[in-house]
Amino acid sequence: KAGVTQTPRYLIKTRGQQVTLSCSPISGHRSVSWYQQTPGQGLQFLFEYFSETQRNKGNFPGRFSGRQFSNSRSEMNVSTLELGDSALYLCASSLMAGSSTDTQYFGPGTRLTVL
Amino acid sequence: QKEVEQNSGPLSVPEGAIASLNCTYSDRGSQSFFWYRQYSGKSPELIMFIYSNGDKEDGRFTAQLNKASQYVSLLIRDSQPSDSATYLCAVTNYGQNFVFGPGTRLSVLP
Repeated sequence: KAGVTQTPRYLIKTRGQQVTLSCSPISGHRSVSWYQQTPGQGLQFLFEYFSETQRNKGNFPGRFSGRQFSNSRSEMNVSTLELGDSALYLCASSLMAGSSTDTQYFGPGTRLTVL
Repeated sequence: QKEVEQNSGPLSVPEGAIASLNCTYSDRGSQSFFWYRQYSGKSPELIMFIYSNGDKEDGRFTAQLNKASQYVSLLIRDSQPSDSATYLCAVTNYGQNFVFGPGTRLSVLP
């Protein structure tokens, strides 16, 4: 079974631009979570989607948004990029959201650099 | 705010020794506990999870959970240089998102 895939793997943008990242979960998985990882802040939760609905949201500004499609693929968008948005963006998929026995599996991540 | 704490390290152990990684969490209602390993420049990979108080063994890895003390640990027996990585503890409760600790950097010295 193929793992979680994320595209693109690397991205360079300039301040003020916007960016869209894509995540395809493991086949059969219906929940997708997004995280931002920086050396200083560690792994920070952005949001989680299940059945095309946002179930949980972290403490990030409204510039960060996401969506999930009917095939469980998910995208996240960052508008008006700032230098501090440079980070590794990780997507994780799980079979279903909200189960105490559920496990998250991570994709390889998208490395975003904002100049 | 739910918090998960770990010693940042680095924790250095000689090859063949037991590495002990610790994690405490603030949400007493937490139900599920996970350990992930992350090599530099790579994404986290799941090592194991534990839901019930006590020990759970998987090969060289043993997870220990004590819900009364809000404490979970990971023991790595016969540590190898290839175990050198950052170990992330994650905690979750039914219907809620995972909360990750800052990670402990482990260095296994040949």
